Amino acid sequence: DTEVTQTPKHLVMGMTNKKSLKCEQHMGHRAMYWYKQKAKKPPELMFVYSYEKLSINESVPSRFSPECPNSSLLNLHLHALQPEDSALYLCASSQGPGTGEAFFGQGTRLTVV
Amino acid sequence: GESVGLHLPTLSVQEGDNSIINCAYSNSASDYFIWYKQESGKGPQFIIDIRSNMDKRQGQRVTVLLNKTVKHLSLQIAATQPGDSAVYFCAENPYGQNFVFGPGTRLSVLP
Repeated sequence: DTEVTQTPKHLVMGMTNKKSLKCEQHMGHRAMYWYKQKAKKPPELMFVYSYEKLSINESVPSRFSPECPNSSLLNLHLHALQPEDSALYLCASSQGPGTGEAFFGQGTRLTVV
Repeated sequence: GESVGLHLPTLSVQEGDNSIINCAYSNSASDYFIWYKQESGKGPQFIIDIRSNMDKRQGQRVTVLLNKTVKHLSLQIAATQPGDSAVYFCAENPYGQNFVFGPGTRLSVLP
């Protein structure tokens, strides 16, 4: 199984809502990532979890809150987002941070209204 | 031909021709590089990787070349097919901590 599964595929939320994005992998990977991708741009790193601990936070606003409940799951909790946060949110995993092939999920298309 | 501007750089090639997509990476501390293909509405898909102790690696119809002296990476696609139309990103792993993506190139295959 070389899949990274993200749910939901699409999400529309208001600026006062609280929602969560979910990501799951069963490859035994110990590094998991959240990326944000705007149209016609490359994915931009948000967070890296290494062995279930947050190792990199790329100065992401606190309205984005990551969580790694176990080695297979990664969540991104969203609260009080702005319309400019609308983007494709991608989850990825690899054997270790920055090592081994990084597998990406299909992403969650988020629209903030 | 290739164009650069406010939009993604675009490379247009005739079906059956070979494609060469280039990428300049930024960090000399990076020791692992990946090429990804991203189709519309999908996540990036792994194509091929190369470690810094190599200068060439071949896969099925694809070859990656690495020139560490000038920090340059290229992806060659042989006999380009319509299904190869997508955006291609190179990614590097500065200090082995994460993956940083280049700006991307849109490959358009003409019939």
